[in-house]
Amino acid sequence: QQQVRQSPQSLTVWEGETAILNCSYEDSTFDYFPWYWQFPRESPALLIAIRPVSNKKEDGRFTIFFNKREKKLSLHITDSQPGDSATYFCAASRTSSGQKLVFGQGTILKVYL
Amino acid sequence: DPKIIQKPKYLVAVTGSEKILICEQYLGHNAMYWYRQSAKKPLEFMFSYSYQKLMDNQTASSRFQPQSSKKNHLDLQITALKPDDSATYFCASSQAETLYFGSGTRLTVL
Repeated sequence: QQQVRQSPQSLTVWEGETAILNCSYEDSTFDYFPWYWQFPRESPALLIAIRPVSNKKEDGRFTIFFNKREKKLSLHITDSQPGDSATYFCAASRTSSGQKLVFGQGTILKVYL
Repeated sequence: DPKIIQKPKYLVAVTGSEKILICEQYLGHNAMYWYRQSAKKPLEFMFSYSYQKLMDNQTASSRFQPQSSKKNHLDLQITALKPDDSATYFCASSQAETLYFGSGTRLTVL
């Protein structure tokens, strides 16, 4: 069974729109939730991360909203740009496990001009 | 300059053969990892090492053996290769909470 689920599988938005990527998890012992992005033919890279002590984390146009009770989080990308087109992975881990991350299947985002 | 060097970038092998994937990191990190990414599965944790010691192994098969000859090296030996082993294998390292990935080795098993 998949511990981290993402939706939608793919998402297309126009430049300037807000893209919303969803993620849910099953294990309540997870206490660290990073989002990684991966461009074609490149390796994943950390975008933004949150811990359950917060319900929101913002970094420029990227914001994570976190709902601990429902075990859900979402990544909002405001004013989407063509350069944001990538695959976005939600991940989860426990502090005690270091960077043993459990990744979701990813959301492919395409931003059109 | 790439800080985590993986060799080779592409690798083609025949079923039943053995290959070694090379990883060297120059970030000064003490923790290193192997992850696998295939079309069928999301990025999947395989191994973690800290100070050259195995910390965690999520790989069910003993055909996958990490090898750490130096502090900044973590190679991956794969024996008796199967077509299902075809994937991109990423070496990674971490300091604090950020995981840094190498560029990957794309393995194709025929």
